Amino acid sequence: GAGVSQSPSNKVTEKGKDVELRCDPISGHTALYWYRQSLGQGLEFLIYFQGNSAPDKSGLPSDRFSAERTGGSVSTLTIQRTQQEDSAVYLCASSRDSPPSNEQFFGPGTRLTVL
Amino acid sequence: AQTVTQSQPEMSVQEAETVTLSCTYDTSESNYYLFWYKQPPSRQMILVIRQEAYKQQNATENRFSVNFQKAAKSFSLKISDSQLGDTAMYFCVLRNRDDKIIFGKGTRLHILP
Repeated sequence: GAGVSQSPSNKVTEKGKDVELRCDPISGHTALYWYRQSLGQGLEFLIYFQGNSAPDKSGLPSDRFSAERTGGSVSTLTIQRTQQEDSAVYLCASSRDSPPSNEQFFGPGTRLTVL
Repeated sequence: AQTVTQSQPEMSVQEAETVTLSCTYDTSESNYYLFWYKQPPSRQMILVIRQEAYKQQNATENRFSVNFQKAAKSFSLKISDSQLGDTAMYFCVLRNRDDKIIFGKGTRLHILP
């Protein structure tokens, strides 16, 4: 089937506005991850959903960041009162179950620019 | 603390040559998993190869192989007969059984014609 999709592919917003980024994982994948990739940097883990378990939010950088996953499928990452340092590519990944050996399948990312 | 270090920010090699990308890591776990992911200019992250720490045999996927030295906590990636399509950012990734995932900062690899 289709891979992981993310929308929008690009988002430009003004400082102080709220933004919502969407991720559609591969059907049947129970694990979903959000990462942030700043220019020229590696990936910074943000949040992890596994089935019906409470999400691991340990990577969220501030309380302006939140995420939800409805019905165990689509996930939305929300950034409130955006700041210029939030500018980055936000990547979503999904995998079957949670065994650590499982491959993560990544979406193409959303490039967020905060002016 | 768990860390992944890629000491080569950028590398360039001629097409058809062999190149080795370095990765060292630190973890207190005895069983864990290591991955190399590739991110070409298209931004799509793709799994290159994976290694389970309890397996002594080095993983191999066609032109890609790893040199896994568990005692030294080293996990290098060797690309043989490099191709133009191998041009990408390469990330070394550590994943423990508690699902903590740590990415290295990446090595930007240029394959020159």
